[in-house]
Amino acid sequence: QKEVEQNSGPLSVPEGAIASLNCTYSDRGSQSFFWYRQYSGKSPELIMFIYSNGDKEDGRFTAQLNKASQYVSLLIRDSQPSDSATYLCAVPLTGGGNKLTFGTGTQLKVEL
Amino acid sequence: KAGVTQTPRYLIKTRGQQVTLSCSPISGHRSVSWYQQTPGQGLQFLFEYFSETQRNKGNFPGRFSGRQFSNSRSEMNVSTLELGDSALYLCASSPNLPETQYFGPGTRLLVL
Repeated sequence: QKEVEQNSGPLSVPEGAIASLNCTYSDRGSQSFFWYRQYSGKSPELIMFIYSNGDKEDGRFTAQLNKASQYVSLLIRDSQPSDSATYLCAVPLTGGGNKLTFGTGTQLKVEL
Repeated sequence: KAGVTQTPRYLIKTRGQQVTLSCSPISGHRSVSWYQQTPGQGLQFLFEYFSETQRNKGNFPGRFSGRQFSNSRSEMNVSTLELGDSALYLCASSPNLPETQYFGPGTRLLVL
């Protein structure tokens, strides 16, 4: 079982709809979770991160954690064509320090 | 603040050669992590340097090495290049915490 798993998609949503992206993780002891956005040909950009103690909202983005089922979600409200990208979920690897293990990403397409 | 910079941006090498990639972190950031991104394997952690010391290492062969200088700039070296080393190599800098990792634009390496 991979440490972080994501559905590769593509996930297609109409403009203005809510896009829901999910990520499952294997380490029940994981304490923090990160979402990155990566446009084609570009490097990943940090969107938001949450800790195991609660959900987080930032503008149109909401990250939610379900510890019992070991998955984390990213909701994008009022989806825009500019949100079309690959969304990567990442969890810190054990051992401390700055090492993240990434899922393979979900491609999101927001259609006009 | 200026972002993370990586040089060169593109590189073409042949099998058996070696290559050195450079990364300059955001000013004040002491942690530099390196990742390899390929279509098949996604983003994989190579290693992390903090205060000139390798703090973490991923599961890559010894052909992959790195170092960090006193000004936090980092280099990674790949010796005896193989076709499978063709990838986007990303550098990320952080003050110290994983939630604030910022990626550079990457170096795209093609091994022929």
